[in-house]
Amino acid sequence: QSVLTQPPSASGTPGQRVTISCSGSSSNIGSNYVYWYQQLPGTAPKLLIYRNNQRPSGVPDRFSGSKSGTSASLAISGLRSEDEADYYCAAWDDSLSGQVFGGGTKLTVL
Amino acid sequence: EVQLVESGGGLVKPGGSLRLSCAASGFTFSSYSMNWVRQAPGKGLEWVSSISSSSSYIYYADSVKGRFTISRDNAKNSLYLQMNSLRAEDTAVYYCARDEYYSSGWLYWGQGTLVTVSS
Repeated sequence: QSVLTQPPSASGTPGQRVTISCSGSSSNIGSNYVYWYQQLPGTAPKLLIYRNNQRPSGVPDRFSGSKSGTSASLAISGLRSEDEADYYCAAWDDSLSGQVFGGGTKLTVL
Repeated sequence: EVQLVESGGGLVKPGGSLRLSCAASGFTFSSYSMNWVRQAPGKGLEWVSSISSSSSYIYYADSVKGRFTISRDNAKNSLYLQMNSLRAEDTAVYYCARDEYYSSGWLYWGQGTLVTVSS
């Protein structure tokens, strides 16, 4: 059972907009930054969003993040086949004194 | 070019020990906090441990506390994870990752090394 809660799966058709939610608590999302990582099969995770809504250089602006209270979400617009991957949210947890991850969401592009 | 290369994984019996290494290059290793993250086969990411640039601050996940020890040698540009009393549930790919400045996330990751705990 992960500290951060994500839906196990999400799907969309090419060109669509999809959102992936991440629910936490006051000790993690509620008081710290949220990060999003993309993991393609057999590869290391890739940083997509940092500090709730910032994109590293090279990440397309199709990817956006937001946070409200103890929840966060990742939005992907103009869905592409290459977006098919696992997505993880993460945040520091003050109570646990450690980083916590969501269980991951498998995105399927239909 | 920033590079992180893990090594030291392999097959070990329950109760055994293993030491993972992460060789860093392409940046000033001594200026960055570092992390270990693992991923069991078919499962999600799990944070394992973090260490600050000068080793002043060290954190562990409850699942490994008392069994794993994170350390670093800034002179050798290397990060380590000493794993003792290994259990079947420690079987995973172990990644090292660099902590960016100003809470900017973990931008650079190694390719991972597989640890299998089995009799």
